[in-house]
Amino acid sequence: DTAVSQTPKYLVTQMGNDKSIKCEQNLGHDTMYWYKQDSKKFLKIMFSYNNKELIINETVPNRFSPKSPDKAHLNLHINSLELGDSAVYFCASSRGTSQETQYFGPGTRLLVL
Amino acid sequence: AQSVSQHNHHVILSEAASLELGCNYSYGGTVNLFWYVQYPGQHLQLLLKYFSGDPLVKGIKGFEAEFIKSKFSFNLRKPSVQWSDTAEYFCAVSSGYNKLIFGAGTRLAVHP
Repeated sequence: DTAVSQTPKYLVTQMGNDKSIKCEQNLGHDTMYWYKQDSKKFLKIMFSYNNKELIINETVPNRFSPKSPDKAHLNLHINSLELGDSAVYFCASSRGTSQETQYFGPGTRLLVL
Repeated sequence: AQSVSQHNHHVILSEAASLELGCNYSYGGTVNLFWYVQYPGQHLQLLLKYFSGDPLVKGIKGFEAEFIKSKFSFNLRKPSVQWSDTAEYFCAVSSGYNKLIFGAGTRLAVHP
């Protein structure tokens, strides 16, 4: 009965590889988000989708591409991984886009070697 | 641009001590304010939030926060901390499209 789930939990890969992180929410929410938490614990929003439509697209390298096949899923694909991509990536969801609490997933710890 | 400042990066307290974590934001419009907590190795959980109404909001686990509009502040308080409160605390503000802007976080260590 996990509300927001992410797979995988840990991801260790080599520079230059392409990898995907998946996120699913079973809360019936319309809006989903990706955040990046760096080694200093600083959290920054990357993307947000509302009803499968991209509504927030922060200054993120083109190597990062979100995809929302339906309202319950928001995946993050990363091409040509770099050392600086090492971080914890959190998915979140909310009911809507106005005055709504965001519920976070457990995070995916990505380590690029 | 919006920003959130958390003044204390590391706080060390003994059990039963009182806690106050500072949070200031910069944004001229209507804001929604949040405090999230991240226990070691876990995901972020909402402690409390302010959207409108009573500026003193109560959250889970005995935490409360006060919104002072004139000071652009939303400080977190707890009268008596416990060892289990050891965690990272994040203040955040959201505006259009519910975009959360987080502060840098405050690491709280509570010693028994």
